[in-house]
Amino acid sequence: DSGVTQTPKHLITATGQRVTLRCSPRSGDLSVYWYQQSLDQGLQFLIQYYNGEERAKGNILERFSAQQFPDLHSELNLSSLELGDSALYFCASSEGTGANTEAFFGQGTRLTVV
Amino acid sequence: QQPVQSPQAVILREGEDAVINCSSSKALYSVHWYRQKHGEAPVFLMILLKGGEQKGHEKISASFNEKKQQSSLYLTASQLSYSGTYFCGTVSNDMRFGAGTRLTVKP
Repeated sequence: DSGVTQTPKHLITATGQRVTLRCSPRSGDLSVYWYQQSLDQGLQFLIQYYNGEERAKGNILERFSAQQFPDLHSELNLSSLELGDSALYFCASSEGTGANTEAFFGQGTRLTVV
Repeated sequence: QQPVQSPQAVILREGEDAVINCSSSKALYSVHWYRQKHGEAPVFLMILLKGGEQKGHEKISASFNEKKQQSSLYLTASQLSYSGTYFCGTVSNDMRFGAGTRLTVKP
């Protein structure tokens, strides 16, 4: 158990809908990262938050947004969903900004858009 | 920009060695290595920092050439449990992962 909790584990929704994925980082970790992994593909970086502030943005679509709350949990909002958004979404957390501390991954949320 | 990993896949017999390479076009603060088993979350293996510091599992070794922005992961005397997909994560402003190297260890 990495200590990073993601909910829900599975999500099935229809095209055009909106969903929210939730991530609770390990206790004491200030950074939260979101990654998208399509079937048997690599980890595509979406966005990173550090202590409540957006720190870096990757290949995140405009239909997607995220935030980190004062208690450090984070939410990833996906809207106007398309079939191609079906993927495993991972959240990871680290103590620092990522340069010199390892990241711990949650078990992921598997999103299926039908 | 994503780092580039090679090879894409490798098949070994138990006891054989393998090297996985990772290169980046950007100046790096550190390189991370993770292993992901099918259907599971990536698990941290090692971090290599500028200046030579390393943190990680004792049985895993790796190198980081800061000037060339390259890293290599060395898997020696492979075991069946080493099977999985290995990702390097390079840290400049954020952490980006390569496409992964699928390692299969056969008896």
